[in-house]
Amino acid sequence: EAAVTQSPRSKVAVTGGKVTLSCHQTNNHDYMYWYRQDTGHGLRLIHYSYVADSTEKGDIPDGYKASRPSQENFSLILELASLSQTAVYFCASKDRGTGNTLYFGEGSRLIVV
Amino acid sequence: GQQVQQSPASLVLQEGENAELQCNFSTSLNSMQWFYQRPGGSLVSLFYNPSGTKHSGRLTSTTVIKERRSSLHISSSQTTDSGTYLCALERRSNTGKLTFGDGTVLTVKP
Repeated sequence: EAAVTQSPRSKVAVTGGKVTLSCHQTNNHDYMYWYRQDTGHGLRLIHYSYVADSTEKGDIPDGYKASRPSQENFSLILELASLSQTAVYFCASKDRGTGNTLYFGEGSRLIVV
Repeated sequence: GQQVQQSPASLVLQEGENAELQCNFSTSLNSMQWFYQRPGGSLVSLFYNPSGTKHSGRLTSTTVIKERRSSLHISSSQTTDSGTYLCALERRSNTGKLTFGDGTVLTVKP
């Protein structure tokens, strides 16, 4: 079955530290995304990628970098974690073509202290 | 202002009752999508609905672009329907770049 797996599932980070969230998909999808969700709110798009070795900025990219070294893997990097980046982060993949929906991972809960 | 607004914010039902969840949007869209978020996390796609009405079991989604609204109807609710329902609009076709509403938290009591 198609799957999007994220690691770590949960992490506590210190302010100013570096955090890397990883995402691996076995869907053979070209498109991948990173969204964040704050408690009680919907998801917001941080970065996305349509092809390996290329990433694009989403709606809220400040403070985040992304890396897509292969079709299957997409990472989100917080170089200097801040308290405001405490949230749940979701990775998703999508097949190219109109009418195809997103498949989401289980989420990574990040707490910055 | 927020581009996608969902109502109600929360809803409590007795098992067997029906629910109508609303999503209103203030910007142009290519498609409207509905997701179910399980308590504790992951999202599952319910409908990809650019316009008109779609059915899936006890669920019905209706999108009326001219009126800038989409709805999700749940009939004969079950306790397992409890969770958060999110609508999201895709402004441009095939981008997967979604703008989400804040969701409706549904609780179905036995």
